[in-house]
Amino acid sequence: QLQLQESGPAVVRPSETLSLTCTVSGGSISNRSYYWAWIRQPPGKGLQWIATIYYDGSTDYNPSLKSRITISVDSSKNQVSLTLRSMTVADTSVYYCARQWGPLGWFDPWGPGTLVTVSS
Amino acid sequence: DIQMTQSPASLSASVGDRVTITCRASQSISDWLAWYQQKPGKAPKVLIYKAFSLESGVPSRFSGSRSGTEFTLTISSLQPDDSATYYCQQFNGYPFTFGQGTKVEIK
Repeated sequence: QLQLQESGPAVVRPSETLSLTCTVSGGSISNRSYYWAWIRQPPGKGLQWIATIYYDGSTDYNPSLKSRITISVDSSKNQVSLTLRSMTVADTSVYYCARQWGPLGWFDPWGPGTLVTVSS
Repeated sequence: DIQMTQSPASLSASVGDRVTITCRASQSISDWLAWYQQKPGKAPKVLIYKAFSLESGVPSRFSGSRSGTEFTLTISSLQPDDSATYYCQQFNGYPFTFGQGTKVEIK
């Protein structure tokens, strides 16, 4: 059974860079049927898709965040990473990674999420 | 971006009631829509994908339908375990977008 687990800092200072890792177990990140995505959710609010990556490194980014984000894949470690630069209080969210079913697809399963708070 | 307008924002219904939640897309998205259920402190779980397809393991009281750019999630007989927030998501094109969510409470 495929499982995803996000990891990274719980607190980031304003203007700093957030680095998150999603470790996939129970399946290969190089499976050509799937893509891998990051989604976030501010406390008490809705869901926002951030970015998607394929095992070959091809990417799609949310235009609203594109200038500040980088998504990458490490097939040897079965991991997907997200970098978000110039963090502000508005970036405080639960960050989820998820498997995406195809180049245009739904998300399933999701990791449990990790809460990142931007605070000085 | 494709806007997904979800309604109502919240609802309260009794066990056994039929509940419907609607999502309207700002443009045609064919059948490229998913519905998720999210309980407090948990990640969303997919219920329906491609507008109509029931995810394996999801109770058959959940169903999805479409009329043009309007999509509906129906719970045929509300159960206590269905208390949650529900989201729609379009995957017709990037950037993927979600509805604002519908909080379902049990009376």
